[in-house]
Amino acid sequence: DQQVKQNSPSLSVQEGRISILNCDYTNSMFDYFLWYKKYPAEGPTFLISISSIKDKNEDGRFTVFLNKSAKHLSLHIVPSQPGDSAVYFCAASPSNTGKLIFGQGTTLQVKP
Amino acid sequence: DTGVSQDPRHKITKRGQNVTFRCDPISEHNRLYWYRQTLGQGPEFLTYFQNEAQLEKSRLLSDRFSAERPKGSFSTLEIQRTEQGDSAMYLCASSLAGHGTQYFGPGTRLLVL
Repeated sequence: DQQVKQNSPSLSVQEGRISILNCDYTNSMFDYFLWYKKYPAEGPTFLISISSIKDKNEDGRFTVFLNKSAKHLSLHIVPSQPGDSAVYFCAASPSNTGKLIFGQGTTLQVKP
Repeated sequence: DTGVSQDPRHKITKRGQNVTFRCDPISEHNRLYWYRQTLGQGPEFLTYFQNEAQLEKSRLLSDRFSAERPKGSFSTLEIQRTEQGDSAMYLCASSLAGHGTQYFGPGTRLLVL
C-alpha cells in the first residue's frame, strides 16, 4: 500500500510563476513531513520540512503547507527558476520511528 | 565537505557475485539509514542504525542483505548472491536521533548483469 502519494508525475511552469507540488498521505501516525529535490545520478537534497503541530513553514522561495484534516501537504515555489527543474519527493515520518516513507516523485520543469 | 559520502558511486557485477557498499555519515550524526531507489519510484527504506545498534529492518531486506555499523561511525551494506532485481540506487542518509531531517549521500548505483 502506498502511504504517501504524489499523484502528478510531472509539472511544467513558466519561469517566474508559482510551482505547486502536492502530496497526500494515509497514515495518521505521520508527524513530520519533508520535501526533497533530486537531480539525476545524485542523492536527494533536503529542501524544507514541517512538523504536524504546524500548518505552514517558509524558507525563502519555498513554503510548505500542511492540512492534517485532509492528510495533504503542498510545496509552493515562488518565483520558479529554471534551476528548480528536478524531481521533487515528499516524505513522511511515523512518530517514534526513524524511517521516511517517500512518495513516487513529481518531475518539475521550469521553462525560461 | 562534511556531508554523507558513499563508496563506490557505481558498481557493475555479475549475477551471483557478492557486493559491499560503504557509507560515511555526517560525523556528529548518530543515526544512519539505508534506502533503495528504483527507476520511477521514491526511495524505499531498508534499515537504520542508532550508533551501532540496528533498530529496524524492512521486509525488503531479504536474507541476502546484511548491514553493519560496527563502531557507530561508517556502515556497510552487503548483498550476497546478487540477482538482476537488485539493480537499483542504494542511498545512505544520516541524522541526529530525535531530529527528523535526514541528509542523503550521492548513492551507489548497482547494475547486476
